[in-house]
Amino acid sequence: EVVLTQSPGTLSLSPGERATLSCRASQSFAGTYLAWYQQKPGQAPRLLIYGASSRATGFPDRFSGSGSGRDFTLTISRLEPEDFAVYYCQQYSSAPYTFGQGTKLEN
Amino acid sequence: QVQLQESGPGLVKPSQTLSLSCTVSGGSIRSDGYSWSWIRQHPEKGLEWIGYIFHTGTTFYNPSLKSRLSMSVDTSNNQFSLKLSSVTAADTAIYYCARWTKGSVREIITFYFDFWGQGIPVTVSS
Repeated sequence: EVVLTQSPGTLSLSPGERATLSCRASQSFAGTYLAWYQQKPGQAPRLLIYGASSRATGFPDRFSGSGSGRDFTLTISRLEPEDFAVYYCQQYSSAPYTFGQGTKLEN
Repeated sequence: QVQLQESGPGLVKPSQTLSLSCTVSGGSIRSDGYSWSWIRQHPEKGLEWIGYIFHTGTTFYNPSLKSRLSMSVDTSNNQFSLKLSSVTAADTAIYYCARWTKGSVREIITFYFDFWGQGIPVTVSS
């Protein structure tokens, strides 16, 4: 099973600042097999990034994803108040498809 | 816009079978390029992929749950379902249904969960 480790567990920043979230895999895989999801309290996760770097519909270009192999990064260039949430990475390079434990982005 | 809605009991007794359904609206469950998934989220914890099913009935399960898991699809009603047997407190979670979509990035095939239901909390307790 591919284990995804996200860091930090909690990231405390202010609106306007830059956020960098990390996702490290226990095995290397192609970047097209990685997605990121945003989850707000009381809501289902929402697709944010797929194929490691493609933004899903509805998300502005301040969100960007990068990486390949074992290391992947989600960057939010200038935080807006609505960006504070929990972010999960997810892989499907091999079954079972797994998620990271999440990074909570707090104000 | 595709919408998914989970339904089923919110409380299940230990050792019994958890049964949930997901109704898809705004699109056909028969459409090519999609499969229909279940994912759960344990209290204060992360997400766990349970499995998915195609409209043909072909399934793909998480090996850790496979011995207790059964999924089915009802194309006439645009629904798919999950049955998890011999439940314990460890199966207490929010259960989500989601669409697993085949897409492409720079002409390379990729997959992602692009539409999710709102989730249904299920507690296993006597």
